[in-house]
Amino acid sequence: AQKITQTQPGMFVQEKEAVTLDCTYDTSDPSYGLFWYKQPSSGEMIFLIYQGSYDQQNATEGRYSLNFQKARKSANLVISASQLGDSAMYFCAMTLKNTGFQKLVFGTGTRLLVSP
Amino acid sequence: DSGVTQTPKHLITATGQRVTLRCSPRSGDLSVYWYQQSLDQGLQFLIQYYNGEERAKGNILERFSAQQFPDLHSELNLSSLELGDSALYFCASSPGPLWNEQFFGPGTRLTVL
Repeated sequence: AQKITQTQPGMFVQEKEAVTLDCTYDTSDPSYGLFWYKQPSSGEMIFLIYQGSYDQQNATEGRYSLNFQKARKSANLVISASQLGDSAMYFCAMTLKNTGFQKLVFGTGTRLLVSP
Repeated sequence: DSGVTQTPKHLITATGQRVTLRCSPRSGDLSVYWYQQSLDQGLQFLIQYYNGEERAKGNILERFSAQQFPDLHSELNLSSLELGDSALYFCASSPGPLWNEQFFGPGTRLTVL
């Protein structure tokens, strides 16, 4: 079984500061993928970043980076230089690669509010 | 814009009714996924199709069914609707069944009264 835990229901950050959103996962499968999605108030799900379990380096995409600590089973999202438009729900998700399909298992999400 | 389209955007119906949600994947994507987002259950995987065939099933109720047509669009059929079926239903697509990234459509918000 696979499980994603996001323990922060809400986070506040000031514009231009960095913020870390926590995500821990649980699986016994050695091959998996970790994702972060952003859901603004308009409702769509926007892919932000991906990390494979065998990737040696932490993934980065512009202002987003994924702090992958395999031994601790954590995959925290770091947003640098926060912008007002970053205010949204953020979901951590996981897939298992050895099951032959790629269903995403999501955490409960963290609501980020960026203040001026 | 992800390139995945979903219709309708909003749907309001009554308990006991049946509705069909439609999804067109990105051009070239063969795999389609359906997810349900509700307040009490969060985001849950329902079902996946790949090139017309069912690939994986998640927490999909027996009252729900889906299919993927030869032109690769997919439909999710929800019948005998209950109040608890009110949710945001997402379709996502990817080029193949084991692709890393899934591209989400804008969702269909279903309200059951």
